[in-house]
Amino acid sequence: DADVTQTPRNRITKTGKRIMLECSQTKGHDRMYWYRQDPGLGLRLIYYSFDVKDINKGEISDGYSVSRQAQAKFSLSLESAIPNQTALYFCATESGGGELFFGEGSRLTVL
Amino acid sequence: GENVEQHPSTLSVQEGDSAVIKCTYSDSASNYFPWYKQELGKRPQLIIDIRSNVGEKKDQRIAVTLNKTAKHFSLHITETQPEDSAVYFCAASKGRSGYSTLTFGKGTMLLVSP
Repeated sequence: DADVTQTPRNRITKTGKRIMLECSQTKGHDRMYWYRQDPGLGLRLIYYSFDVKDINKGEISDGYSVSRQAQAKFSLSLESAIPNQTALYFCATESGGGELFFGEGSRLTVL
Repeated sequence: GENVEQHPSTLSVQEGDSAVIKCTYSDSASNYFPWYKQELGKRPQLIIDIRSNVGEKKDQRIAVTLNKTAKHFSLHITETQPEDSAVYFCAASKGRSGYSTLTFGKGTMLLVSP
């Protein structure tokens, strides 16, 4: 089945370290997103990309950067991780009908 | 930008009861309103959506209603079952026009007790 895959699924790191979360998809969708989920705060948009040459900031982009290496790959980086970036991170693709397909999530803990 | 408010934040019902979750949005140009369900430890998945050209949509035990004038929409689940227990998110956007993206509500945790 076509899917959205995130790596790593779990990561524990220390303050100041650089972290990359990777996302790949086999759905053939052009639009890809990175969301952050915190308890009680819902899903907040970090960055999004509508094609390989397109990168856009979401509502909470500070402290994050992204790279769209190909239609199928969209990576999220934390250049210098801090404890309040501890969260569950979701990558998603969007179908032509507007439905989001989420990856399984990457749980990041920054000590 | 768009702001989506969702209530209640938690909802407990007995199996067989109905459950209603309500959302309001701020941008009158929004025209697409999906609902996502996230079971514990799983990824969010679309369960139903509605576009602004209709007022109600049903799919078996779930239905969504939209009031464009009041800028609110609701999810209705009838004959609830324990497997309906999950976090539900509403969202709103202007569809795929321009650089529109979905804005999510903060979620409602629904607990269905047997």
